[in-house]
Amino acid sequence: DAGVIQSPRHEVTEMGQEVTLRCKPISGHDYLFWYRQTMMRGLELLIYFNNNVPIDDSGMPEDRFSAKMPNASFSTLKIQPSEPRDSAVYFCASSFGLYTGELFFGEGSRLTVL
Amino acid sequence: KNEVEQSPQNLTAQEGEFITINCSYSVGISALHWLQQHPGGGIVSLFMLSSGKKKHGRLIATINIQEKHSSLHITASHPRDSAVYICAALNRDDKIIFGKGTRLHILP
Repeated sequence: DAGVIQSPRHEVTEMGQEVTLRCKPISGHDYLFWYRQTMMRGLELLIYFNNNVPIDDSGMPEDRFSAKMPNASFSTLKIQPSEPRDSAVYFCASSFGLYTGELFFGEGSRLTVL
Repeated sequence: KNEVEQSPQNLTAQEGEFITINCSYSVGISALHWLQQHPGGGIVSLFMLSSGKKKHGRLIATINIQEKHSSLHITASHPRDSAVYICAALNRDDKIIFGKGTRLHILP
């Protein structure tokens, strides 16, 4: 397996634009996580899915953020409208199981909102 | 106060030294992860443990549930071990809470 695949790796956009980040988890994994990393706040969990169903989205900053997982092999994180404070590295990770599964991370999507 | 505290924040050591990074948490947990983030930014899971001790090569992770404390040890440290090490606790509400990380720099 190629691991967790994220795209784009880098995105630079202007304030107010819509941003869509994509993730392909490892085949067979039943959990998918979206994280955000900033210098100020470190790593934060935004949302996670189990078998394509959102389980906990309490980390999603506000209504401008939304995440979907239409099938077991694809998830998106959308920011609309984007703001400069959304600039961060967004990681997707997947695992098989929550209590016993090792986390496998994608390489991250670095977002810069001007 | 963060629910997951790591110490030290920064650590510089000479190649070959024995390294210990500590993680203390204030909540009940189901499991704890140790992650490694290299300067390039990629994150790798090192261990997931809920009790006892795990070993992989030169890395050893221990956890004491009663004391709410975990340690990551590196034996015979090497410059390639230079990275940020992050502790993450899975609490009873199934939320993952991250420590701020320990930046390790091993000098040749």
